[in-house]
Amino acid sequence: DIVMTQSPLSLPVTPGEPASISCRSSQSLLHSSGYNFLDWFLQKPGQSPQLLIYLGSNRASGVPDRFSGNASGTDFTLKISRVEAEDVGVYYCMQVLQTPYTFGQGTKLEMK
Amino acid sequence: EVHLVESGGGLVKPGGSLRLSCAASGFIFTSYNINWVRQAPGRGLEWVSSISPRSNNIYYADSVKGRFTISRDNAKNSLDLQMNSLRDEDTAVYYCTRSHWYYYYMDVWGKGTTVTVSS
Repeated sequence: DIVMTQSPLSLPVTPGEPASISCRSSQSLLHSSGYNFLDWFLQKPGQSPQLLIYLGSNRASGVPDRFSGNASGTDFTLKISRVEAEDVGVYYCMQVLQTPYTFGQGTKLEMK
Repeated sequence: EVHLVESGGGLVKPGGSLRLSCAASGFIFTSYNINWVRQAPGRGLEWVSSISPRSNNIYYADSVKGRFTISRDNAKNSLDLQMNSLRDEDTAVYYCTRSHWYYYYMDVWGKGTTVTVSS
């Protein structure tokens, strides 16, 4: 199974400041299509998860451009350029290259 | 508008059975894989099962293999998850999600249905 390791697990952030979450996979997520099969989700308090980034770096429909994703080998990063109050919640990375699909442990972002 | 609505959750004793359903609307059902993802209380997300548009590819997590069965009815735009031999550790919110047929990203999630396994 592919193991996904996120860090940090807790992320206090000052509104307006940038934030970064790391996700490392135990093996390459590069598909024959040329894309990394790595997605990012945000689960806001009391809500279902919502897709933020797909294929490593593509913003999902309706996601603000302050969110970005990038990849370097087996290291993936979700960046928020300027954190807003509505960004609080738990962020998960997920690999969909092969079953069993696996999630990272989650990173809880909260406001300072 | 695109919707996935889960139903069928409830309280069941260990060893019992439950059948979850997911009703889809607002999109071409046969163009997407459909999945179940669960979340135990206070825990992270766990993929459970996936089924391809024509049901020719079906996958399960090892933790549910042999006990859960996923199926879909394309004529009714619906998905089921038959859960047998339930265990305490199956207690969770179960989410129905749709995913791209080729790139597999899960872009729509339902609100979830709660399954509690307890004596």
